Amino acid sequence: QKEVEQDPGPLSVPEGAIVSLNCTYSNSAFQYFMWYRQYSRKGPELLMYTYSSGNKEDGRFTAQVDKSSKYISLFIRDSQPSDSATYLCAMIYNQGGKLIFGQGTELSVKP
Amino acid sequence: DTGVSQNPRHKITKRGQNVTFRCDPISEHNRLYWYRQTLGQGPEFLTYFQNEAQLEKSRLLSDRFSAERPKGSFSTLEIQRTEQGDSAMYLCASSLKAEAFFGQGTRLTVV
Repeated sequence: QKEVEQDPGPLSVPEGAIVSLNCTYSNSAFQYFMWYRQYSRKGPELLMYTYSSGNKEDGRFTAQVDKSSKYISLFIRDSQPSDSATYLCAMIYNQGGKLIFGQGTELSVKP
Repeated sequence: DTGVSQNPRHKITKRGQNVTFRCDPISEHNRLYWYRQTLGQGPEFLTYFQNEAQLEKSRLLSDRFSAERPKGSFSTLEIQRTEQGDSAMYLCASSLKAEAFFGQGTRLTVV
């Protein structure tokens, strides 16, 4: 079993839809949770970062962490074609530790 | 540009040849990470440095792979006697706290 599980998709939605992306993990010791966006043939770009449980909002993006369920989510409101990319969840045990990634979910937003 | 810089962006090499990649991290970041990513997968951890000390190496990092960060600034990743299975995107990231920032990667093709 992988430490971090993420549905690879692909996920296709119409422009303007609310997108929900999710990951589950097995080790309760993870403390920091990140979401990265990766366009084709580019490096991952950090979108959101959350420490421990709770919600964090940044513009159209909301990250949620539920440590009791070992479940994290990224919501994208009013999705745009430019949001089409692969979304990677990642987590670390402590500051400076190595990132453990999910497989990534490929998202396509159709105009 | 003050982001993470990787060179070269692309490398095509013949099987059995040695290759070396370079990563220049964000200047004030003391931690530097190397990851490998294959198509449809999330990045996999290879190794990381805190300043010039190499603190952890993955079991994925066979004895053909070596990484250095001689003065705690830039880092190099060398692959000796390349194999076709080494074809992948090699990503470098740097961090000061919890958030890690990635470069654009070096895409290696072994023919």
